[in-house]
Amino acid sequence: GIQVEQSPPDLILQEGANSTLRCNFSDSVNNLQWFHQNPWGQLINLFYIPSGTKQNGRLSATTVATERYSLLYISSSQTTDSGVYFCAVDYSGGSNYKLTFGKGTLLTVNP
Amino acid sequence: NAGVTQTPKFQVLKTGQSMTLQCAQDMNHNSMYWYRQDPGMGLRLIYYSASEGTTDKGEVPNGYNVSRLNKREFSLRLESAAPSQTSVYFCASSYTSNTEAFFGQGTRLTVV
Repeated sequence: GIQVEQSPPDLILQEGANSTLRCNFSDSVNNLQWFHQNPWGQLINLFYIPSGTKQNGRLSATTVATERYSLLYISSSQTTDSGVYFCAVDYSGGSNYKLTFGKGTLLTVNP
Repeated sequence: NAGVTQTPKFQVLKTGQSMTLQCAQDMNHNSMYWYRQDPGMGLRLIYYSASEGTTDKGEVPNGYNVSRLNKREFSLRLESAAPSQTSVYFCASSYTSNTEAFFGQGTRLTVV
């Protein structure tokens, strides 16, 4: 099946710093989503971005489907940004839907 | 707009007991999914239903059964719970496969 690798696995920042999270995937995809899992375990949709660039406030994401990677940018980080960030993809060559998750990046933002 | 609602939020079972996790969505979505999340493993697909009346196995279906009761509801049943099924279970839905998926708040299940 398709492989999804996220880096870095862990990231510690001071409040106000910027960061870039990366998601590499091993095959062509129909769907790519970024999620934030907050400390209470909720999965929050950040971006639905199978290709191109999107921005939402301090967060932006870029997917280069032809090169099989996506980047999530967090600017001016805040303590509320802490949590796990997941990338999830759906392999376009599969006959059935399967949103495959990476193992996540654990982000800690210190005040 | 409630989105995807799961019940219960927490559950403790003894080995061998059975239970059903309930999931309902109010977004008129056609596709629904059940995932489990274990430490260090990300989320893994258990079963999904591409549309009302259909269900298919995902990556880790053993020990589970599902029912797509109607367009809104998709339940997950553990017939004989095992400690290996201790996990956090998430239900999700999307308008169709390959469109944006939305997740419920999760059910934390412990099997002792």
